[in-house]
Amino acid sequence: DIQLTQSPSFLSASVGDRVTVTCRASQGISSYLAWYQQKPGKAPKLLIYAASTLQTGVPSRFSAGASGTEFTLTISSLQPEDFATYYCQQSKSYPYTFGQGTQLEIK
Amino acid sequence: QEQLVESGGGVVQPGRSLRLSCAASGFTFSGWNMQWVRQGPGKRLEWITFISYDGTSIFYADSVKGRFTVSRDNSKDTLFLQMNSLRADDTAVYYCVRDIGGWFGFDPWGQGTLVTVSS
Repeated sequence: DIQLTQSPSFLSASVGDRVTVTCRASQGISSYLAWYQQKPGKAPKLLIYAASTLQTGVPSRFSAGASGTEFTLTISSLQPEDFATYYCQQSKSYPYTFGQGTQLEIK
Repeated sequence: QEQLVESGGGVVQPGRSLRLSCAASGFTFSGWNMQWVRQGPGKRLEWITFISYDGTSIFYADSVKGRFTVSRDNSKDTLFLQMNSLRADDTAVYYCVRDIGGWFGFDPWGQGTLVTVSS
């Protein structure tokens, strides 16, 4: 199975900060990586697909990239509604797997 | 708009069965592959099963293989998950999701239905 490891698991930041979350895959997955945002008590929401493509309607302060088996999600200027948990997910091969999540909290 | 609505969750004793449903609307259900994903309390998201648009291709996670069965009724725009021999570690919120395909991710997600396995 392909393992995804996110770092950090917890992140404390302030409104206006720039933050980056990293997701490392245990083997090559090309661009078969998506990022989701989940708020408490809600279903996850697709933010990014194909490693770096913004889903329609997602604000441009979100961006993502990849280098080998390392993937990043960056929020350029945190807004109050961005405080949530972020998950990466690979769809290269079954079983599809998710990272353990990064909980972004207000400092 | 495109929507998925799960139902059928609840409290069930270990070893018993439960059937979840997921009603789709706002898109052509019969043209899309579908998946179920669950999230146990305080745990990461866990993929559990895939079913192709026509039901001819199905995959399961090892954790549910032999106990869970996914199916669909395209005439009723509904996805099902039959869960047998339930265990305490099956306790989770269960989400149905549309698989956009390839590297395009899962979208939309249903609101989730809570299954609690407890005596």
